[in-house]
Amino acid sequence: GAVVSQHPSRVICKSGTSVKIECRSLDFQATTMFWYRQFPKKSLMLMATSNEGSKATYEQGVEKDKFLINHASLTLSTLTVTSAHPEDSSFYICSARAPASYEQYFGPGTRLTVT
Amino acid sequence: AQSVTQLDSQVPVFEEAPVELRCNYSSSVSVYLFWYVQYPNQGLQLLLKYLSGSTLVKGINGFEAEFNKSQTSFHLRKPSVHISDTAEYFCAVSESNYQLIWGAGTKLIIKP
Repeated sequence: GAVVSQHPSRVICKSGTSVKIECRSLDFQATTMFWYRQFPKKSLMLMATSNEGSKATYEQGVEKDKFLINHASLTLSTLTVTSAHPEDSSFYICSARAPASYEQYFGPGTRLTVT
Repeated sequence: AQSVTQLDSQVPVFEEAPVELRCNYSSSVSVYLFWYVQYPNQGLQLLLKYLSGSTLVKGINGFEAEFNKSQTSFHLRKPSVHISDTAEYFCAVSESNYQLIWGAGTKLIIKP
């Protein structure tokens, strides 16, 4: 099956610093990648949808200047949390969709803790 | 899909007993339906999906789900649960724009 990796799996950073999370589709080319945020004991909240080579589409209420998304290739998308604050602490999950497929393949998630 | 409803936030069940996790959705167009499982501190894994064809879909780990268009439901079932099935289960629906609309999740608690 299709495999999506995320790196790092866990990161602790200080308030005010920036953190980059990578999402890679390892064995297929991802037309679209999605970034989600999951709060404790909650469902997934879609943050943004990114298509290779174009700007990401952000969901309402998600600050695009704070959560920078780059989808530079068909196998890599990055999420950078800029000037992180403790309220940005969360579980961030990416997923990737192959061309002409409705199925999303999920990465293992990244636990971000901002101190 | 306008919304996805998972009626039960938690379902406790004894080991080796059957279980049904309910999922209803609202949509005026054709949809594609998914169940994902999330083990603690992990990402999501696809259990099964309905895209077309037979309304009874079999997935991994002995799970199955039935798409009922008239009732707009896609309930997940397993005839006999194991302690390793303890996890959070998410129902999701996709329309033509490829985005997934998520249910709130159901925590399956297996009692020994």
